[in-house]
Amino acid sequence: DAGVIQSPRHEVTEMGQEVTLRCKPISGHNSLFWYRQTMMRGLELLIYFNNNVPIDDSGMPEDRFSAKMPNASFSTLKIQPSEPRDSAVYFCASSLTGRDGYTFGSGTRLTVV
Amino acid sequence: QKEVEQDPGPLSVPEGAIVSLNCTYSNSAFQYFMWYRQYSRKGPELLMYTYSSGNKEDGRFTAQVDKSSKYISLFIRDSQPSDSATYLCAMSAGRGSTLGRLYFGRGTQLTVWP
Repeated sequence: DAGVIQSPRHEVTEMGQEVTLRCKPISGHNSLFWYRQTMMRGLELLIYFNNNVPIDDSGMPEDRFSAKMPNASFSTLKIQPSEPRDSAVYFCASSLTGRDGYTFGSGTRLTVV
Repeated sequence: QKEVEQDPGPLSVPEGAIVSLNCTYSNSAFQYFMWYRQYSRKGPELLMYTYSSGNKEDGRFTAQVDKSSKYISLFIRDSQPSDSATYLCAMSAGRGSTLGRLYFGRGTQLTVWP
């Protein structure tokens, strides 16, 4: 099992540009989570999906952020337009029933200059 | 008040020491309690998982949950330099057979020096 796969690993972009982060969850997992991690705020839940349906997006900071899960094996998190304060590590995680916790990807380190 | 409080440290101990990491929480509905370990520039990985109150032991690691005090702990015996990482507590109320949303602490940065 390859685990949760995120791409790209690093992204440097200029303010105002669109950024798309990608995630492939573990096959068979039915829940997918997007988190953002910073030194100041720790891990923050942005949005989570259950069976491809968004369940809770209350953590999405503002309308510049959007997430989709078109099928069980793929999800995207998009930021448009990006701002320097969006610089963080973005993690995707998936789980089956959740009883065994989440499996995290290696993260995407985003820098907006 | 945050749902989960965790002292960020940093915590620095010599090899072989017993390490105690702790979290407090405010939501009495939490039933599932976990500890994640995160190495630098990596994603968090599940280390320990407990349901409701009590203790759970796995090798050098022991997780304790005291729901009456809303307090959870992770003990590391005979700590090793390879244990140097950030440890995050996490918890959930769960809904039926699903875990639902996990609430994380800020993480405690641990360094074990040889």
